[in-house]
Amino acid sequence: SQQGEEDPQALSIQEGENATMNCSYKTSINNLQWYRQNSGRGLVHLILIRSNEREKHSGRLRVTLDTSKKSSSLLITASRAADTASYFCATARSNDYKLSFGAGTTVTVRA
Amino acid sequence: GAVVSQHPSRVICKSGTSVKIECRSLDFQATTMFWYRQFPKKSLMLMATSNEGSKATYEQGVEKDKFLINHASLTLSTLTVTSAHPEDSSFYICSVWGLTNEKLFFGSGTQLSVL
Repeated sequence: SQQGEEDPQALSIQEGENATMNCSYKTSINNLQWYRQNSGRGLVHLILIRSNEREKHSGRLRVTLDTSKKSSSLLITASRAADTASYFCATARSNDYKLSFGAGTTVTVRA
Repeated sequence: GAVVSQHPSRVICKSGTSVKIECRSLDFQATTMFWYRQFPKKSLMLMATSNEGSKATYEQGVEKDKFLINHASLTLSTLTVTSAHPEDSSFYICSVWGLTNEKLFFGSGTQLSVL
């Protein structure tokens, strides 16, 4: 069943601006991951943050995790037109390896 | 990371026919593969877990006889949508775990349109 809920559902920004999206979840997790999906394509793994981590960076991506609030955020800095895609958070529960995906945030970066 | 090939990328079929979708793990052996379904602008819904050499594990509400899964080798899993109907039209995506069983690697997906 779907556990993560992303916010906002859609985001439109100018190239060069930062994009921030949030994810909330309900149950305890082992880790939280963010994936990217270009229209009509499969998903690509972006970054994984474990339950004992609070912040992680990868290139222009910054992810935070607050397990007390059961929430995570993904920040894309200095956005580019090529960042236009849907972004999904996915949680891995503590008791199994299945990933549960949120509904996604659609990001449009205007040139 | 794993390279996953999914075929076909798009298929249009008549109502009542069956459609087979293939998912191949190209660079390592995958004992487990996952099949997801995605509706437009919606999240991915896990349909079933494909296990090499044994029966697939289906999620609640997914019809086993409708969505046949075969995982006969360590590199190939197939999903057959039997007697397809327009409501089966959807985007189907397969995935495999990477070596550490933490990250998923996805195929490029199959857009199924049933007329």
